[in-house]
Amino acid sequence: ETGVTQSPTHLIKTRGQQVTLRCSSQSGHNTVSWYQQALGQGPQFIFQYYREEENGRGNFPPRFSGLQFPNYSSELNVNALELDDSALYLCASSLAPQGAGTEAFFGQGTRLTVV
Amino acid sequence: RKEVEQDPGPFNVPEGATVAFNCTYSNSASQSFFWYRQDCRKEPKLLMSVYSSGNEDGRFTAQLNRASQYISLLIRDSKLSDSATYLCVVNSYTGNQFYFGTGTSLTVIP
Repeated sequence: ETGVTQSPTHLIKTRGQQVTLRCSSQSGHNTVSWYQQALGQGPQFIFQYYREEENGRGNFPPRFSGLQFPNYSSELNVNALELDDSALYLCASSLAPQGAGTEAFFGQGTRLTVV
Repeated sequence: RKEVEQDPGPFNVPEGATVAFNCTYSNSASQSFFWYRQDCRKEPKLLMSVYSSGNEDGRFTAQLNRASQYISLLIRDSKLSDSATYLCVVNSYTGNQFYFGTGTSLTVIP
């Protein structure tokens, strides 16, 4: 296994609610990235955190926000949930920011359903 | 234009067959290339990195053509356990993210 763990594994929320997803990165990894994968699509980059600072962001609205903690674990927060936010949310940890060409190790994902 | 484009398939092949997937990328500044495998409702897992000189890992061979900006994956002697979605992944040295293709679905039939 990758050593990257996410919680919860499944979640059902109502439109307009807020959700927090959590990720524990692999030991020694200081970079965490979050991706959203809709059904039948490849993962889409949300943002990356490197040493507790945001280090790049994809084309997602501000209601998607994140944090990285001193132990390099991370949270993804989504406010004002919309039906289209239903997806598999993947956390990936790496030794360095992915722009440096390092491989990423993914957690098992959180499957979010918004009703 | 998408950063990474793949034929979504599906590819349905008999056991023992050889199958090839191709992928094109749009950013010539891209520096790193990978193939990931994703089983149904699971997370992507690294299959192999792709190097300019080409590389092989058992039955799997990956090739990179920088001039044409395409990446390929060849699977020889297909096994039932190879059935999965194969994701082409590219990043740019100037960016801090991976760009994924939509994935190519492979089903190996007994």
